[in-house]
Amino acid sequence: EIVLTQSPATLSLSPGERATLSCRASQSVSSYLAWYQQKPGQAPRLLIYDASNRATGIPARFSGSGSGTDFTLTISSLEPEDFAVYYCQQRSNWPPSFTFGPGTKVDIK
Amino acid sequence: QVQLVESGGGVVQPGRSLRLSCAASGFTFSNYGIHWVRQAPGKGLEWVAIISYDGSDKNYAASVRGRFTIYRDNSKNTVYLQMNSLRAEDTAVYYCAKDLFSAAPGPFDYWGQGTLVTVSS
Repeated sequence: EIVLTQSPATLSLSPGERATLSCRASQSVSSYLAWYQQKPGQAPRLLIYDASNRATGIPARFSGSGSGTDFTLTISSLEPEDFAVYYCQQRSNWPPSFTFGPGTKVDIK
Repeated sequence: QVQLVESGGGVVQPGRSLRLSCAASGFTFSNYGIHWVRQAPGKGLEWVAIISYDGSDKNYAASVRGRFTIYRDNSKNTVYLQMNSLRAEDTAVYYCAKDLFSAAPGPFDYWGQGTLVTVSS
């Protein structure tokens, strides 16, 4: 089973700052890596799929990069609504199964 | 607009059964795979199960395989999760989620609001 590790566990930043979140896979996942945002009491929201494609309606300040085992989610300039928990997710091919990382909490400094 | 609405959660004793439902609307339900994902209180996300668009393919997380069954009724636009032999560690909010693409599993572009399952004596 592929294990995803996210770092840091918590990122304390101020609005307007740049956020860089890391996700590392225990073995190559090619580009089958997605990022989700979750706010308290809400369902997760898809931000990025296939490592670098923004989902519909996601602002351009969110970008994803990477392939193989190392991936990055970048928020170029934090807005107040971006303070949340971010999860990465990978897909194993067949039979299809999915793993989430433990999450990175972005909180207000 | 796309909507997924879960129901069926509640408090159940260890060893008992519960069935969750996920009612979908706003898209061509029979074209998309559907997943169940759970989140224990204060914890992260755990994928639970997938069912293909026509119900012919299913897969489960190791933690629930043999106890949980996913199935769907495309005439009712509904996916179900039958949960048997429930354990305390199954306590979580259960979300259903829709595949982004009709041709491949994952990622999940729409999620329901979740239904809470509490396993306790």
